[in-house]
Amino acid sequence: QTVVTQEPSLTVSPGGTVTLTCASSTGAVTSGFYPNWFQQKPGQPPRALIYSTSNKHSWTPARFSGSLLGGKAALTLSGVQPEDEAEYYCLLYYGAAQHVVFGGGTKLTVL
Amino acid sequence: QVQLQESGPELVKPSETLSLTCTVSGGSVSSNNYYWSWIRQPPGKGLEWVGYIYYSGSTKYNPSLQSRVTISVDTSKDQFSLKLSSVTAADTAVYYCARVVWQLVYFDFWGQGTLVTVSS
Repeated sequence: QTVVTQEPSLTVSPGGTVTLTCASSTGAVTSGFYPNWFQQKPGQPPRALIYSTSNKHSWTPARFSGSLLGGKAALTLSGVQPEDEAEYYCLLYYGAAQHVVFGGGTKLTVL
Repeated sequence: QVQLQESGPELVKPSETLSLTCTVSGGSVSSNNYYWSWIRQPPGKGLEWVGYIYYSGSTKYNPSLQSRVTISVDTSKDQFSLKLSSVTAADTAVYYCARVVWQLVYFDFWGQGTLVTVSS
């Protein structure tokens, strides 16, 4: 069974920068996994932030960026705002089976 | 802008079949650019992909649920549906429907979600 791993929790100060990562149990994450990133706040559905590694949706704030870093997908928040406190999920696509797998989520605290 | 709305019973008895429908507005399920997906989230836990369907009826399911899941599409109503059989308490979750832009495999628009509780 394929497992996608994220940091369970991270803490960042307002105005700071933080990077969340997303690893695959199958090996290095590449652009072919089409990494997606989502933000979820309590009681709300997930909101799409990043697709295909680094592409932003029209509603994605400029302070969010996606990349590949050391064999993982990464989401970087620069100039963190208090409203960025949320759970963040990555999703990877496994082309051979045409399946997707969500990571376990990272709870980001802004403190 | 496309909107998705889940509907169906909020309470299902153990061993019975969970049935949900997602109605798409502001767009068409018949577009060849999209798949349509179900995702669930048990209370206090993470997201789990359930499966997705193309307007032609082609489906892909999460292997861990494949034996119990059926996703279907009704293009005349711009709806797609989820059936999950032989449910247990472990199937209690918020169920979301979402649109998948297939060319770059991204989930852009989501429904608000509906909590389905499995209990006698």
